[in-house]
Formats: sequence, C-alpha cells, structure tokens
Amino acid sequence: KQEVTQIPAALSVPEGENLVLNCSFTDSAIYNLQWFRQDPGKGLTSLLLIQSSQREQTSGRLNASLDKSSGRSTLYIAASQPGDSATYLCAVLNYGQNFVFGPGTRLSVLP
Amino acid sequence: DTEVTQTPKHLVMGMTNKKSLKCEQHMGHRAMYWYKQKAKKPPELMFVYSYEKLSINESVPSRFSPECPNSSLLNLHLHALQPEDSALYLCASSLVFLGANVLTFGAGSRLTVL
Repeated sequence: KQEVTQIPAALSVPEGENLVLNCSFTDSAIYNLQWFRQDPGKGLTSLLLIQSSQREQTSGRLNASLDKSSGRSTLYIAASQPGDSATYLCAVLNYGQNFVFGPGTRLSVLP
Repeated sequence: DTEVTQTPKHLVMGMTNKKSLKCEQHMGHRAMYWYKQKAKKPPELMFVYSYEKLSINESVPSRFSPECPNSSLLNLHLHALQPEDSALYLCASSLVFLGANVLTFGAGSRLTVL
C-alpha cells in the first residue's frame, strides 16, 4: 500500500528566501505525482503535475522534480512571497489505484 | 470553463435533517470524486464515479449517499449525520479515472452538524 510523507510538517521563512518542500513515497511504481496548494478552509489548487517519465516540471517560480527510484519529489519555490503562505500537498497516483495524499507542509512566509 | 463548482459553500444542519451537496463541472471530465477533509489533515477519498457509474466506495457510512445524474453533475445526499461528520467536503474531477491526468478540485462545502 502506497504511503506518502512530507517534510517538514511546517515551515516559517522570511520573504525572499528560496525553499524546498519534500515529498516521499514508498511504492515507486507511480503513474504521476501532483503538487497542490491549499489556503485555509479552501479547496486544492493544482500547481504542477509530473508524469512518471518526467524528471521535472516548472511553472513560474515553482519547480518540481521527481526521482522515482528513490521515491522522492521536491517542490522548489524561488524568491518566496507572503502570498505563498498556504499548505502544500503532494499526491501520488499508482497504477490501478487512487491518488494518495501526503499530510502536507504548512508554509508561512513572513513579510 | 476550467472549474469545478460546489454549492453550498457553507451548510449547517441538525442530526435529523436531510440536505445535499452539489458539484458541477463542464470540462468534459468523466471521473468525479468526493473527498472529506478534517482540519489539518489531507483529503480522504469517499467515492469515485467513472462514466456516471460508482467505481469506488471507500466504506463510507450509508448516511452519505452519492448520486451522479449525468456526466457534469455529482451530488452527495446527507441524512442523519453525526457531529463528527463536520468537515470540508471536496469535489474533484479528472479526464478519466486512473488516467495520467490532472485532478481538479472545487472550493469545497464546509459542513457543520449540530
């Protein structure tokens, strides 16, 4: 059974810092991995989707990488802003299964 | 249209009430999902519909009854709920079930059971 963990659980940084969020999964036979952002009490917004054959995806200040063999993905946020404050979740899709979500990383970017 | 729309945004109900949550998408997605999310926890899958047929029921109590009237609509009927059912209920859709495609979420319906 796929298990997904995220480190750190919470992170507080000053504005302007570059930061890395980590996602680990136990079963490397994944179809794809998706990163989401969730503001308090709101739905999830898709940030990036990485297919199993890809190594990374970029969107603006966000870059997500995937290393299937080691069961890891990282989300890199460049030049963080207070508006980036949210919870970031990764979700993994295995063949023949549903998306499994990690517990999330709560990010706070201080002005 | 690239959105999943959920109504109502907030719902307060007593344990004897019957209410429904509604979800709509016009992206041509053929898979639709209901998730339940408690505070500071990840979403938990409840139901999956694929081509309007129930494909997954994650052992959800019968007081939650899903319905998919057509490919664009997904309902969740609520009856005799318990206070512990209070949560954020999220609807999502994807092009197909178990495919290599993006999962798109709605903004959620915040449910409070008194």
